[in-house]
Amino acid sequence: DGGITQSPKYLFRKEGQNVTLSCEQNLNHDAMYWYRQDPGQGLRLIYYSQIVNDFQKGDIAEGYSVSREKKESFPLTVTSAQKNPTAFYLCASSPLLRAEGNTEAFFGQGTRLTVV
Amino acid sequence: KQEVTQIPAALSVPEGENLVLNCSFTDSAIYNLQWFRQDPGKGLTSLLLIQSSQREQTSGRLNASLDKSSGRSTLYIAASQPGDSATYLCAVRLDSNYQLIWGAGTKLIIKP
Repeated sequence: DGGITQSPKYLFRKEGQNVTLSCEQNLNHDAMYWYRQDPGQGLRLIYYSQIVNDFQKGDIAEGYSVSREKKESFPLTVTSAQKNPTAFYLCASSPLLRAEGNTEAFFGQGTRLTVV
Repeated sequence: KQEVTQIPAALSVPEGENLVLNCSFTDSAIYNLQWFRQDPGKGLTSLLLIQSSQREQTSGRLNASLDKSSGRSTLYIAASQPGDSATYLCAVRLDSNYQLIWGAGTKLIIKP
């Protein structure tokens, strides 16, 4: 089945550690996104990528890093510089905005990161 | 700057009622608007996408409308069921870039 797979579902991080969240899609979408969701708030964009080997900062990129070495994969690293990383992280993908027709975004099931 | 607002933040209704969820946005220059459903601790499921040139979209018991001039979209749920209980989010995609601008969501509870 086509879709987006995020792993792990739950992740625990100790203070000072870097952790990497995985996001893989088999929808052949060019654009991929990482969002952070906190209780009572809308989704906030961390990073997005329109093409392999290129990515752009979103609204809250500080303390995070990404890579896009393959079209299918867009991993997110939460670094020790992120002071408040406990949150629910969502990965999404969509066709390019300039493509004809649908630009519907699809989401993974999320990763809940907790600092211990 | 585009802002998206969803009111109310929470809604509780008896099973079987028809209901309307609201989404408003401040800048009418949007590419499209998408409604999502989120169950607790889960990712988002796309419900309906309305292109800027469209007025409404329907899927089963769901109907979404778009009025760009007034900056509003509504999601109509007919004959609500307990399984409809979830948080509903709307997001607008802008003309100029790839970003989706999100509302904070409406938490819907359907009481049996």
